[in-house]
Amino acid sequence: EPEVTQTPSHQVTQMGQEVILRCVPISNHLYFYWYRQILGQKVEFLVSFYNNEISEKSEIFDDQFSVERPDGSNFTLKIRSTKLEDSAMYFCASRTENSPLHFGNGTRLTVT
Amino acid sequence: RKEVEQDPGPFNVPEGATVAFNCTYSNSASQSFFWYRQDCRKEPKLLMSVYSSGNEDGRFTAQLNRASQYISLLIRDSKLSDSATYLCVVKGGSYIPTFGRGTSLIVHP
Repeated sequence: EPEVTQTPSHQVTQMGQEVILRCVPISNHLYFYWYRQILGQKVEFLVSFYNNEISEKSEIFDDQFSVERPDGSNFTLKIRSTKLEDSAMYFCASRTENSPLHFGNGTRLTVT
Repeated sequence: RKEVEQDPGPFNVPEGATVAFNCTYSNSASQSFFWYRQDCRKEPKLLMSVYSSGNEDGRFTAQLNRASQYISLLIRDSKLSDSATYLCVVKGGSYIPTFGRGTSLIVHP
């Protein structure tokens, strides 16, 4: 069964540094998402992406965040200047037109 | 009122028990409903979609009550491996699936 893959599985970075989280969505999927989950809290929507542009974003997704689909397979989330409170699990997800979301196994980001 | 609300639990049940979770949602225009399962520090995995007429998948039954704006998940004959957090997911008018906080289930021998 095709999967959404995310790399790295764990990223440790210092406050103020830039990080890029990478995702390869399922190949025939058209809609892409980033969610995050702070330890012990709920899964929160960050951004959705369709047709090479952001379709919706949440209040969390401020100017420090950006997304890109640099080629036909990768979908990346960049955090320009990380803060301690950015420490969380970041999940990428994708779907076809009317399907549920399929999630990658996540990247655990630790900001020190 | 929160968009999607769930009792966080934990629900602590013996093997073989039947357990039910509810989830309420605030947006009456919500169109699609799902139950996901999440194991500790893992990604959410789709358990089942929830249809208006109710649907069953083995030991799991999901139901939707649009009038009262809630969905439910019933697990029969609980197994140790059912221990997890069960996430209610609701899609409103735009396809931004919104997650509930999750209900923790612990099945003990």
